[in-house]
Amino acid sequence: EVQLVESGGGLVQPGGSLRLSCAASGFTFSSYWMSWVRQAPGKGLEWVANIKQDGSEKYYVDSVKGRFTISRDNAKNSLYLQMNSLRAEDTAVYYCARPYSSGWNDYWGQGTLVTVSS
Amino acid sequence: DIVMTQSPDSLAVSLGERATINCKSSQSVLYSSNNKNYLAWYQQKPGQPPKLLIYWASTRESGVPDRFSGSGSGTDFTLTISSLQAEDVAVYYCQQYYSTQFTFGPGTKVDIK
Repeated sequence: EVQLVESGGGLVQPGGSLRLSCAASGFTFSSYWMSWVRQAPGKGLEWVANIKQDGSEKYYVDSVKGRFTISRDNAKNSLYLQMNSLRAEDTAVYYCARPYSSGWNDYWGQGTLVTVSS
Repeated sequence: DIVMTQSPDSLAVSLGERATINCKSSQSVLYSSNNKNYLAWYQQKPGQPPKLLIYWASTRESGVPDRFSGSGSGTDFTLTISSLQAEDVAVYYCQQYYSTQFTFGPGTKVDIK
């Protein structure tokens, strides 16, 4: 059974940093692109970033470029999102998701809440 | 960026009736080399992560009831629920994966009339 479990969310002050993790199981992690998608409270879905199987390609939504870094450790079956210079507008539930063949997300985690507030 | 829009923002349909949601992309998401539309549909219920319904604009994900269908090509797409059931109350999103920067539509909320 495919499982994606996010962790690392919490309350952080504006300008602060946070690192999210996603533990994957039930599939060959190193064979898949991986994604982060976020959802602000009461709002719609926003794709944040994708990373290729070997980490050689990474793509970001413009609003997080230069502040967020997606990475992965295939030996640990883990996906990460390093978030720096956090802003109030980054407040959201962050989902880890698996894009099938670099396309649609066929599996999603339950999400982890990040709150940026003083 | 490819901008996705959806209409309507919300709709209320009687049980057993048809629900139709429209999605439009700011540029074509049809890849000419394989003649595939790089568009997916998701369903999200309160407090849950999204669930994949449709990919390649019209291919139903395994296990998704056949009352859900997707159609369209290029820039204009439709998700149809042929006979609305109570468990279909949710927000529905389209998403393009044509460009390296994926984008979602703003969502359409479906309720029971």
